[in-house]
Amino acid sequence: GAVVSQHPSWVICKSGTSVKIECRSLDFQATTMFWYRQFPKQSLMLMATSNEGSKATYEQGVEKDKFLINHASLTLSTLTVTSAHPEDSSFYICSASGQSQNTGELFFGEGSRLTVL
Amino acid sequence: GENVEQHPSTLSVQEGDSAVIKCTYSDSASNYFPWYKQELGKGPQLIIDIRSNVGEKKDQRIAVTLNKTAKHFSLHITETQPEDSAVYFCAARGNAGNMLTFGGGTRLMVKP
Repeated sequence: GAVVSQHPSWVICKSGTSVKIECRSLDFQATTMFWYRQFPKQSLMLMATSNEGSKATYEQGVEKDKFLINHASLTLSTLTVTSAHPEDSSFYICSASGQSQNTGELFFGEGSRLTVL
Repeated sequence: GENVEQHPSTLSVQEGDSAVIKCTYSDSASNYFPWYKQELGKGPQLIIDIRSNVGEKKDQRIAVTLNKTAKHFSLHITETQPEDSAVYFCAARGNAGNMLTFGGGTRLMVKP
């Protein structure tokens, strides 16, 4: 299957700082990328959908000014958690789909675990 | 919007036995149903999927069935092995782009 890479895989930061997570599609062009958040022992919750070259669409309850998403190229999307607080600690996962993939197949990154002290 | 329910939330089986996980969905327009396996600390990995134009799909020890009328689909794992232990998620996708709605997950434990 297609490869989606996330970086960093884990990060620890101080409260009030900002953290950027990168999501790359390594062997296909991702026209759409999705960002999820997953709390321990829970399912994946969609945060936002980003399409290359346009503004992200955020799910209800997700603060767009806090979770900045940039999808500047067909192989890279970034999620920036601004002014992070302990309650933002979570597992963040991206997924990507592209026109070259079988319709509907989504491939996930390995996830990024954020811990805010 | 779409709502996906998954049962059971936990499942413990003896090695070699079969495991079945069931999901129901609400949107009759949904047409794509993938299953993901998530190991601890990792992202979900697609293990099998089925589209609405077929009723069953099999890949070695894994099979998925779909009942469009009843709006439910199931994952079947035969001859389970300890390495099958993980959390499994079902998902459904409707006509609105590629957005998936996930079930709550099933923690499968295969005891040696």
